[in-house]
Amino acid sequence: DAKTTQPNSMESNEEEPVHLPCNHSTISGTDYIHWYRQLPSQGPEYVIHGLTSNVNNRMASLAIAEDRKSSTLILHRATLRDAAVYYCILRDIAGGTSYGKLTFGQGTILTVHP
Amino acid sequence: EAGVTQSPTHLIKTRGQQATLRCSPISGHTSVYWYQQALGLGLQFLLWYDEGEERNRGNFPPRFSGRQFPNYSSELNVNALELEDSALYLCASSLRAGGAGNTIYFGEGSWLTVV
Repeated sequence: DAKTTQPNSMESNEEEPVHLPCNHSTISGTDYIHWYRQLPSQGPEYVIHGLTSNVNNRMASLAIAEDRKSSTLILHRATLRDAAVYYCILRDIAGGTSYGKLTFGQGTILTVHP
Repeated sequence: EAGVTQSPTHLIKTRGQQATLRCSPISGHTSVYWYQQALGLGLQFLLWYDEGEERNRGNFPPRFSGRQFPNYSSELNVNALELEDSALYLCASSLRAGGAGNTIYFGEGSWLTVV
């Protein structure tokens, strides 16, 4: 499985933008980049995903490097409810037994200060 | 629209017993996934079912098993429980795992405590 590397932790102040980086230098052409977040004692929550182009939704934006070896999740205005563990995951759409299997790393613990 | 629902929310079992956890996917979803999150550890992939068949399995012993029913709901069985099986068990679902980037949605999990 292609692996991702994220900082262990990041901090932000409320109402400020947050840029969460992810490195995935071994990404293959059929890997989608997915982001999930997990609040304490809850299941992971889908945030956003993309393949090559930058993506926006109501929760966040995803900026993907041109060579696809890194990406950044952008929370435009952090709130206290955004404090969570953020996971960057590569998901292979090419099929085979690796498909359907999300491989979670340790993620980034985001702390938001009031 | 209801999300992925799991039951029970909490379960306490004695070492050596069997535990059964249940999951109802989002309506229209045919793929169901099971993950284990032990305290202090990351989420570990357990099983993936689609259209009633097991499609992939993580690195877990055979005493972890499951099945998917015709209505696409699923259950996870853990036999001969060991203390280290204590964890949050998460179920997730998606449309048929074949569409580009089909999103996987998770439930809130079932806490299993083995004493």
